[in-house]
Amino acid sequence: GAVVSQHPSRVICKSGTSVKIECRSLDFQATTMFWYRQFPKQSLMLMATSNEGSKATYEQGVEKDKFLINHASLTLSTLTVTSAHPEDSSFYICRTGTHYYTFGSGTRLTVV
Amino acid sequence: SQQGEEDPQALSIQEGENATMNCSYKTSINNLQWYRQNSGRGLVHLILIRSNEREKHSGRLRVTLDTSKKSSSLLITASRAADTASYFCATDAGETSGSRLTFGEGTQLTVNP
Repeated sequence: GAVVSQHPSRVICKSGTSVKIECRSLDFQATTMFWYRQFPKQSLMLMATSNEGSKATYEQGVEKDKFLINHASLTLSTLTVTSAHPEDSSFYICRTGTHYYTFGSGTRLTVV
Repeated sequence: SQQGEEDPQALSIQEGENATMNCSYKTSINNLQWYRQNSGRGLVHLILIRSNEREKHSGRLRVTLDTSKKSSSLLITASRAADTASYFCATDAGETSGSRLTFGEGTQLTVNP
């Protein structure tokens, strides 16, 4: 079946630095990618929707300049957390819009 | 904002017992899906039920959907310790997989051996 490869699975970074998370579709084209954030013991909250070749659509309350999304090709979408702070520590997970059930495996970000 | 609400928030049962989780939502939907998430891991799709369906089975899973009450339930029969996980419902108001999913708050299920 369709697979979305998400990297890294875990990352620890210092406050003020930037972290890039990649979601790559394997063997299929992902024109749309959804990015979610999940805090401990909470549900998944949609952050933004990226479409290949166009600007991402952000949910209300999500800072565009802080969470940079790039979807430059049909197989790769990236989320960059800029100037990370401890409150950005969370689980980030992507989902392709091409196939219903296809989520990345998630990235655990810890900002120290 | 999340439109799905699930209850209970946490459920602890013994192996062999049945587990029932409920999900309510607020707007019209095209379909509703259930997912499982093991701690700190990605999501595993369990089952999808369309708005014109009332019940669906898959192995030990049984899902019901009542669109008049805007609610769904997930029943896991003969539970196993390996079923321990968080379970989320997700609603889809669109008509394609390219539409957004809105997740419920989740139920943490613990199955004790």
